[in-house]
Amino acid sequence: GAGVSQSPSNKVTEKGKDVELRCDPISGHTALYWYRQSLGQGLEFLIYFQGNSAPDKSGLPSDRFSAERTGGSVSTLTIQRTQQEDSAVYLCASSLVPNYEQYFGPGTRLTVT
Amino acid sequence: TQLLEQSPQFLSIQEGENLTVYCNSSSVFSSLQWYRQEPGEGPVLLVTVVTGGEVKKLKRLTFQFGDARKDSSLHITAAQPGDTGLYLCAGVPRDNYGQNFVFGPGTRLSVLP
Repeated sequence: GAGVSQSPSNKVTEKGKDVELRCDPISGHTALYWYRQSLGQGLEFLIYFQGNSAPDKSGLPSDRFSAERTGGSVSTLTIQRTQQEDSAVYLCASSLVPNYEQYFGPGTRLTVT
Repeated sequence: TQLLEQSPQFLSIQEGENLTVYCNSSSVFSSLQWYRQEPGEGPVLLVTVVTGGEVKKLKRLTFQFGDARKDSSLHITAAQPGDTGLYLCAGVPRDNYGQNFVFGPGTRLSVLP
């Protein structure tokens, strides 16, 4: 069956521009997670969705970051007024139920120039 | 402060050697999972351990969950270059009533041919 997909796979943007990253979770998975991974580093938790609501937004690094999920499926992570320190791989994962095994997408590599 | 610590941070070994990597916490976890991440890809789930003292084997990989469910180990027998990657442990602390999935910082393994 289809796994988690993310688009775009790569995004290069100029400092100050807004970007949208998309995640399509595995069908039927109720929980969806966004993480950020800088080069050579571990995973930094950003936000978690249960259905369309986000019980935990504690990891969003600033108010330039926002995310939404619609129809209990697709999620978009938006970064406004991008900065160079936003450059990283953004990973999305989904799980059947919260606190359960997570399945990851391939990530979106964001480069802010 | 990391809720999950992993050691060693880096490990470089020759093909055919055995190795063990560790995941430790001062908190009790309901379950722990191990993931492997290869360059340019998202993490892939290897195993979930649930019961204290549990041992699971996946071909040349042996996973153990500590009796107190605060730690876990991954042992690889006769390592191969294909085992190269970032090994991450993760889970939800038992007493965390939120849904914040915690990842360790990872062990970066390099198996040289």
